[in-house]
Amino acid sequence: GENVEQHPSTLSVQEGDSAVIKCTYSDSASNYFPWYKQELGKRPQLIIDIRSNVGEKKDQRIAVTLNKTAKHFSLHITETQPEDSAVYFCAASLPGFQKLVFGTGTRLLVSP
Amino acid sequence: AAGVIQSPRHLIKEKRETATLKCYPIPRHDTVYWYQQGPGQDPQFLISFYEKMQSDKGSIPDRFSAQQFSDYHSELNMSSLELGDSALYFCASGGIAGTGYNEQFFGPGTRLTVL
Repeated sequence: GENVEQHPSTLSVQEGDSAVIKCTYSDSASNYFPWYKQELGKRPQLIIDIRSNVGEKKDQRIAVTLNKTAKHFSLHITETQPEDSAVYFCAASLPGFQKLVFGTGTRLLVSP
Repeated sequence: AAGVIQSPRHLIKEKRETATLKCYPIPRHDTVYWYQQGPGQDPQFLISFYEKMQSDKGSIPDRFSAQQFSDYHSELNMSSLELGDSALYFCASGGIAGTGYNEQFFGPGTRLTVL
């Protein structure tokens, strides 16, 4: 089955810096790659996603890139703010409303 | 916009008791997913339903069962509860008919504590 690896497990940056989180997946048939932000005790919140027919997607300060050949995708956050502090999960899914397989999460800490 | 509704939000049970968690998906979404998240862990897929039929099954113990009803709400039934069942249980809603998109939106979760 699909396996998703995520790095780093923790990331500390200064406010205003950029943050990059990387994920790799194992099943080349996966076609949907969402990113979720989760604050302590709260629900995972979908912040951006990318489909396999697109190489890059941007939404204000966040962007996601996908390299299908290498089977990896990355989340980029620019101009980080303290409210960006949370755990970020990447995930992958096969076609057809399949389950999400999550990475192990990255705890991002943005210091003022 | 309407979101996924889960009830109860918190549940405390004793070992060997039973628990029922409920999920009301976003209107027009025809797929419901259940995930279990332990402390410091990523969400783990349990089971999913598409149009009221079980569509996939993950690492769900035999002590757990689930179903989706005619109004599309889903219930996760958990019996013979064990200490290790203490976790956050999320329901996610997705699968807008006809689009093929797999966006999944999570409910607020039920925090189950087994004593």
